[in-house]
Formats: sequence, structure tokens, C-alpha cells
Amino acid sequence: KNEVEQSPQNLTAQEGEFITINCSYSVGISALHWLQQHPGGGIVSLFMLSSGKKKHGRLIATINIQEKHSSLHITASHPRDSAVYICAVFWGNQFYFGTGTSLTVIP
Amino acid sequence: NAGVTQTPKFRVLKTGQSMTLLCAQDMNHEYMYWYRQDPGMGLRLIHYSVGEGTTAKGEVPDGYNVSRLKKQNFLLGLESAAPSQTSVYFCASSLSGVGVQFFGPGTRLTVL
Repeated sequence: KNEVEQSPQNLTAQEGEFITINCSYSVGISALHWLQQHPGGGIVSLFMLSSGKKKHGRLIATINIQEKHSSLHITASHPRDSAVYICAVFWGNQFYFGTGTSLTVIP
Repeated sequence: NAGVTQTPKFRVLKTGQSMTLLCAQDMNHEYMYWYRQDPGMGLRLIHYSVGEGTTAKGEVPDGYNVSRLKKQNFLLGLESAAPSQTSVYFCASSLSGVGVQFFGPGTRLTVL
């Protein structure tokens, strides 16, 4: 099993702040995904990474394969970014998920 | 294009009852998955399928069975429900094993 740890578990930020969510895993992987779970429960994929860095709008995801670590950054955070952010790693033939980081952005 | 749909959205069962959860996708994806999500724990894989007629066990398969008779449908069955199976169940599909997964809206199941 691949142990996936996320930090912090909970995060409260003021609108406009720069946010970083971290993910570390225990065994070398084929790919890492960042997911967003909305307050209503729906889950959507944000990024798939196997190396380097990806950017989509105000979201940036990076991965360091050697250190077994990934970060998700949100620039200029907004209340609509309030959600649970989940890291998932593909290892063996399945995904292993972190417990998520609950983000609340206050206006 | 509905994506991934799940039925039902909510269900309450008594211990020992059986039920089937249905997942359907209209994206022609080969891979389909059933996960459960419990408070304080990450999503955990129950069973998955890599194509019509194939199924495989995930991390927590005990107490569940699955079938994939048609490519677009993946059924999850509980033969004799137990309170430990109270959870939110998510179905997902993807083009490849490592690729982006598309999730259904979830089914909230309570077993009394």
C-alpha cells in the first residue's frame, strides 16, 4: 500500500491570500492527481502530474519525484475556492488517496 | 452527455438486506471503479473493472460484489448489508488506469 499524507488537514485563509497544500507519499509512483471535492460532495479532477509543474488559471501544481512530494498552490484565493482538496497517487494498479485538506476562504 | 451517473442517490437499509448500486457512463471508458468515502479516511477502492466482463478486487472488497456485463454499466452489490458499510459510495470511470477519473455524484448509504 502507498501511504499518502496531506497537510494541513484544515486551512482557513482570507480572500486574496496565497495558499499551499502539501502531499507526500511513501512509494515511487506513475502519476499523481489533485482532486477537488465541492461542499455538495461532487469530485472533479484538477491536475494529473508525472513530473514538473502544471498551471491552470490560479492553480499551480508541482511534483518532486525524488522527494516523493507534491504541492498545490492557489494564487489570489477566492471564497469559491472553498472545498476539500484531495491528493491521489497511482501505484501498482490502483489509486491511493489522501484524507484531504479542507480549505475555507473568508471574504 | 451525462458523464457518470449513479442510482440511487440515497438509501437506508436494515442489517442483512441486500441492494445494488448502479453506475453508468456515456464516455466509452474502459476503466470503471467503485470507491467508498468515510469520515477521516481517504477514498478507498472497493472493486474495479478494466473492460466489459472483467472485474478485480481493490483495497476493501469484502462484503461487496460487482458486475460489468455492459461496457457502460458497473454494478455494486451488497448481499447482506452491515452497519460498517454505512458510507458514501462513488463510482468513477477513466480512459486508462493512470488517467483522469470522472466521478459520479455519489450514493449515501445508511445501514441500520
